[in-house]
Amino acid sequence: DIQMTQSPSSLSASVGDRVTITCRASQNINKYVNWYQQKAGKAPKLLIYTASSLQSGVPARFSGSGSGTDFTLAISSLQPEDLATYYCQQSYGAPDTFGQGTKLEI
Amino acid sequence: EVQLLESGGGLVQPGGSLRLSCAASGFTFSIYAMSWVRQAPGKRLEWVSMITGSGSSTAYADSVEGRFTISRDNSKNTLYLQMNSLRAEDTALYYCAKADCGSISCYTRDHWGQGTLVTVSP
Repeated sequence: DIQMTQSPSSLSASVGDRVTITCRASQNINKYVNWYQQKAGKAPKLLIYTASSLQSGVPARFSGSGSGTDFTLAISSLQPEDLATYYCQQSYGAPDTFGQGTKLEI
Repeated sequence: EVQLLESGGGLVQPGGSLRLSCAASGFTFSIYAMSWVRQAPGKRLEWVSMITGSGSSTAYADSVEGRFTISRDNSKNTLYLQMNSLRAEDTALYYCAKADCGSISCYTRDHWGQGTLVTVSP
């Protein structure tokens, strides 16, 4: 199975900060990475698909980049409602797998 | 608006069975692949099983192969997960999730339910 490793595991930042979360795949997965946001007690929400495409309705302060094995989720200007855990997921091959999550504290 | 509502979770003894259901609305259910994804307390998300829009193809994680069965009733817009021979390590919140296309290789999940809790304990 393809392993997905996120860093950092947790992150503390202030409102207005630019925040980046990285995800590394154990093999080349082209651009097949998705990013999800999960708020406490809620279901995951798709933010970014195929590395850099913004899901409909997601604020433009979220962006994604990368290809191959290294990927990044960026939040350009952190808002209080961005408090959540963020997961990357590889959609390159079966079984699809998730990173361990990055808990963002504000 | 897409809505996914899971039900059927609960407390079950090791070796027991449960059947989860997911009622879908707000989209043409028969077109899209559907998955079950679980999350044990404090753990990462783990894909469990997937079924194509037509129901003709299914896939399972190694950890549940032979014990869990996914199915769907497109006339009722409902997804199911029959779970047999349950183990303590199956304890998790089980999410129903809609894929963004219909085939067995559609791994991007654009809508998720709120989850139903399964606890396997003596």
